[in-house]
Amino acid sequence: NAGVTQTPKFRILKIGQSMTLQCTQDMNHNYMYWYRQDPGMGLKLIYYSVGAGITDKGEVPNGYNVSRSTTEDFPLRLLSAAPSQTSVYFCASSPPDRFAYEQYFGPGTRLTVT
Amino acid sequence: RKEVEQDPGPFNVPEGATVAFNCTYSNSASQSFFWYRQDCRKEPKLLMSVYSSGNEDGRFTAQLNRASQYISLLIRDSKLSDSATYLCVVPNQAGTALIFGKGTTLSVSS
Repeated sequence: NAGVTQTPKFRILKIGQSMTLQCTQDMNHNYMYWYRQDPGMGLKLIYYSVGAGITDKGEVPNGYNVSRSTTEDFPLRLLSAAPSQTSVYFCASSPPDRFAYEQYFGPGTRLTVT
Repeated sequence: RKEVEQDPGPFNVPEGATVAFNCTYSNSASQSFFWYRQDCRKEPKLLMSVYSSGNEDGRFTAQLNRASQYISLLIRDSKLSDSATYLCVVPNQAGTALIFGKGTTLSVSS
C-alpha cells in the first residue's frame, strides 16, 4: 500500500492563479481531510469528506473548494491564490470505524504564493 | 481557555533524560486524546491514543487528568531519534474533527 499520496510536493504560484492539489489514498478509507499548517502553528482543517459525494467545510474553507467523486481521490482547489495561502497542505484519511481519530497523513504539498 | 494548548518549548535534553510535556484542553466532554509526532518538514504520525486514565508504550507514557483537563506525555531514556515536534490532539465538541495543538519541540543531544 502506498498509503496517502499527494502531488505536487512543491509549487510556487503567482497571486490570482488557481491550482489543484491532488490527494489519493489506497486504504479504502471513507474519511478524508485537508489541512493547512502555517509555520509554528497547529494544523487547521480546511475541508473534510465522509465518503464519495459528501464534503463539508472545516475551520478555514475560504478560498478553497473540494470534490469527492471516488473513495480514493480528494482534490483541493485553490480558486485565486493569495499570499495568505502560503502554507504546507496535508491530506489525511481515516478508517470508517475510527472517524476523525487515527488519521493517516500524506507527505504534504509546500505552496508559496508570491 | 484555548481548545488545545501546549508549551511550545523547545525542550533541549541530553540522551537518556526523562522529559514530560503537558497539554491543556477546553472541551470537558472529550473522551479520547492523542499524541502525534511530527518530524521536521514531514507529516504528522500517530504516536499514542489515550481513552481512559493513561496509556503506556515502551518508553512513552501518556496520562490524562480529567479534573484539571490536561494530558501529559512522558518520554523516558530519551534517544536522539526522539527529536521531533509532539502534537497534542483532541476531538472537537461535535466529534467531527480533530483539533491540533501547535506542538512542543523536543531536541535530544548526545
